[in-house]
Amino acid sequence: SQQGEEDPQALSIQEGENATMNCSYKTSINNLQWYRQNSGRGLVHLILIRSNEREKHSGRLRVTLDTSKKSSSLLITASRAADTASYFCATDGGPRDTNAGKSTFGDGTTLTVKP
Amino acid sequence: GAGVSQSPSNKVTEKGKDVELRCDPISGHTALYWYRQSLGQGLEFLIYFQGNSAPDKSGLPSDRFSAERTGGSVSTLTIQRTQQEDSAVYLCASSLESYTEAFFGQGTRLTVV
Repeated sequence: SQQGEEDPQALSIQEGENATMNCSYKTSINNLQWYRQNSGRGLVHLILIRSNEREKHSGRLRVTLDTSKKSSSLLITASRAADTASYFCATDGGPRDTNAGKSTFGDGTTLTVKP
Repeated sequence: GAGVSQSPSNKVTEKGKDVELRCDPISGHTALYWYRQSLGQGLEFLIYFQGNSAPDKSGLPSDRFSAERTGGSVSTLTIQRTQQEDSAVYLCASSLESYTEAFFGQGTRLTVV
């Protein structure tokens, strides 16, 4: 079964608005990563946040991590039509976890930004 | 090349045939992953290679699936006696080491008819 679960499954907003996507996971993690996928092919890495970090920024992206709630959120500010894509979270288990070293992905959130 | 390269981009095969999918990771990356993605779904982990360690094959769906990584570089995913449910995009990724950013190839779209 998938470790991460994204919420919502689909999100539609107007250009300029902010988009927030959430990810929940079940077991302990070493780090959590967010990826973007256009047109159902290769994924592009957006940001990695380690288990001892609470927040990270990269340009218009802001990621938070709450290990007590086993959840993360990705915020895209001032969205653009070009941000339209699917967004996935991926968790890497700790060294003694069954998912050690490998990323397990959720089903993703499909974001549509209308011009 | 600078990125992860997968070949072929698309493969159509008849049910029952064997197929081989190739992945050329980024040079120097010790970790290599194979995932499968059905239409509109998330990524399903298949297999993970890390350096010279025994691969983690826990995600392979059946014994018809196997993968090799020769010389710590190129990897081949083989599906024997393909079935229609094997139709999906097969994605390969590599990373410098475990727990770091993974770089994905563009995938191989496999269609079993």
